[in-house]
Amino acid sequence: ILNVEQSPQSLHVQEGDSTNFTCSFPSSNFYALHWYRWETAKSPEALFVMTLNGDEKKKGRISATLNTKEGYSYLYIKGSQPEDSATYLCALNAGNNRKLIWGLGTSLAVNP
Amino acid sequence: EPEVTQTPSHQVTQMGQEVILRCVPISNHLYFYWYRQILGQKVEFLVSFYNNEISEKSEIFDDQFSVERPDGSNFTLKIRSTKLEDSAMYFCASGAGPFYGYTFGSGTRLTVV
Repeated sequence: ILNVEQSPQSLHVQEGDSTNFTCSFPSSNFYALHWYRWETAKSPEALFVMTLNGDEKKKGRISATLNTKEGYSYLYIKGSQPEDSATYLCALNAGNNRKLIWGLGTSLAVNP
Repeated sequence: EPEVTQTPSHQVTQMGQEVILRCVPISNHLYFYWYRQILGQKVEFLVSFYNNEISEKSEIFDDQFSVERPDGSNFTLKIRSTKLEDSAMYFCASGAGPFYGYTFGSGTRLTVV
């Protein structure tokens, strides 16, 4: 059974702090890695889809890196703002069937 | 920005009743999915749909569940005889392909009493 792990489970930071969290996945089963941002009472919003070892993607103050050989991806937020408060989910696409295997998420709270 | 629309936003049904959850995916997307999230648990994959047929389904997606794309725009999930444990948020998503992020609808909260 393929499992995707995210850490930490939750994180509280002050406005302006930079932060990062981890997504771990089985390195032997990799097709693509997705990151989503899920705000309370809304639906998940796609941030990044990463496919190549060494990939680094950026969207504003949020960036992500990928290491498929060791099976992890980092999500970084630079200068956190209260509006960044959300659950950040990663999901592994482990084959050409396009099913995503989801982590439990990291819940980020940014205090003003 | 294109959206995935789901209706209803909340459905309460009695155990044993049939429910149909509706989704309108983004028009030029080819891949469609249903996921659900039971409160406090992981997002669970139910079924994926491509080229007008199911491409993959999970163990959860048993004979009580079915999906249809009746008119080329709507994408429906039917639960024939609901059980208490079917209570969850059901999300529809559509995608342009395996290397693109999915666009999710706002979900239907199903409560089975």
